[in-house]
Amino acid sequence: DAKTTQPPSMDCAEGRAANLPCNHSTISGNEYVYWYRQIHSQGPQYIIHGLKNNETNEMASLIITEDRKSSTLILPHATLRDTAVYYCIACTGTASKLTFGTGTRLQVTL
Amino acid sequence: DAGVTQSPTHLIKTRGQQVTLRCSPKSGHDTVSWYQQALGQGPQFIFQYYEEEERQRGNFPDRFSGHQFPNYSSELNVNALLLGDSALYLCASSGGTGSANYGYTFGSGTRLTVV
Repeated sequence: DAKTTQPPSMDCAEGRAANLPCNHSTISGNEYVYWYRQIHSQGPQYIIHGLKNNETNEMASLIITEDRKSSTLILPHATLRDTAVYYCIACTGTASKLTFGTGTRLQVTL
Repeated sequence: DAGVTQSPTHLIKTRGQQVTLRCSPKSGHDTVSWYQQALGQGPQFIFQYYEEEERQRGNFPDRFSGHQFPNYSSELNVNALLLGDSALYLCASSGGTGSANYGYTFGSGTRLTVV
């Protein structure tokens, strides 16, 4: 699986959009970009995934660059409950193991 | 619809002992994966079970073994416990006929402390 690189931490004011970047310059053509988050003391939670096109669901939007070497997870209106560690993972699907890095610790503040 | 259920939630064991952790996958899922998460680190893949067989394995010693039952539930066994085995053990399920590719569903984990 391709290695991903994320900033270790970010802050965001409540109500503002949180934009979390991820670099995956060695991603292969059959690898998806998955995002999970882990709130303290809980198991990781699936957020969204995509292959080439931008994706949106009730939780977030995922923007993937045309060359697929990087992506951005967007939480449109961050709340305090979005404070968590966010992991960006490249893998070929749910039959594939997930290789977690250190993720980005997002702190949402009042 | 129940998600992934893990038991027990916490336990304390002594070095050299053996431990068994249990996982019931989300309804409709047939694939179970186990992860170990040390404090302050991301989860590390241990192994994955599908159709009662180990399909993939991460870089963990043979002291770590598992099993999947016909009802898709799974166990993780760790023998000869070391202090370094202290961690949060996470179970994740996926797959199943007709299920969309929404990623893995994780349980809340079992916190194992080895003393």
